[in-house]
Amino acid sequence: ETGVTQTPRHLVMGMTNKKSLKCEQHLGHNAMYWYKQSAKKPLELMFVYSLEERVENNSVPSRFSPECPNSSHLFLHLHTLQPEDSALYLCASSLSYYTGSDTQYFGPGTRLTVL
Amino acid sequence: SQQGEEDPQALSIQEGENATMNCSYKTSINNLQWYRQNSGRGLVHLILIRSNEREKHSGRLRVTLDTSKKSSSLLITASRAADTASYFCATDARGTSYGKLTFGQGTILTVHP
Repeated sequence: ETGVTQTPRHLVMGMTNKKSLKCEQHLGHNAMYWYKQSAKKPLELMFVYSLEERVENNSVPSRFSPECPNSSHLFLHLHTLQPEDSALYLCASSLSYYTGSDTQYFGPGTRLTVL
Repeated sequence: SQQGEEDPQALSIQEGENATMNCSYKTSINNLQWYRQNSGRGLVHLILIRSNEREKHSGRLRVTLDTSKKSSSLLITASRAADTASYFCATDARGTSYGKLTFGQGTILTVHP
């Protein structure tokens, strides 16, 4: 257990559905991250939040909408996804985004399949 | 362009043997980290080496860093079947204090009992 939990662990959705992924960290960290991991590709950073403020948005399509209501919780709202969005979505946290190169602690991921 | 690239892409060895994985990167860094991922799971941090360090040990792990060649290696000694996983290097970029890491594609290690 890394102290970062993600729900659900598996999600199957149609292209017209709306769903949300949830991440929670119990480590007292100030930074939280969403990554996408597709087969045969490096881990892609999607969003970064520092103290509930979005500080990175790596050209992610608007059908992915993040939300960080407090420093312990992070959501990824999904709407009108495409089959190519099927991937493992990983949440991570670190002590601070601004001190540089802190260890990142990852959740187990949500395996998303878009039909 | 991809910051970290691991080599080999896949490595298959017998239990008890040593496993060496390499990582090359393109831009100057502050630190380099190695992570491990069991199939379909999240990543687990293994070790961090700073740009002014050349070698670091943690249990059966040995990491080296050669900033002149922009490369790092991860050595796992006396491997076990439980070491079977994917291994990733992750780099930040010198000149930033931000925790933005760039991950390589990883080396898939299989250790046969």
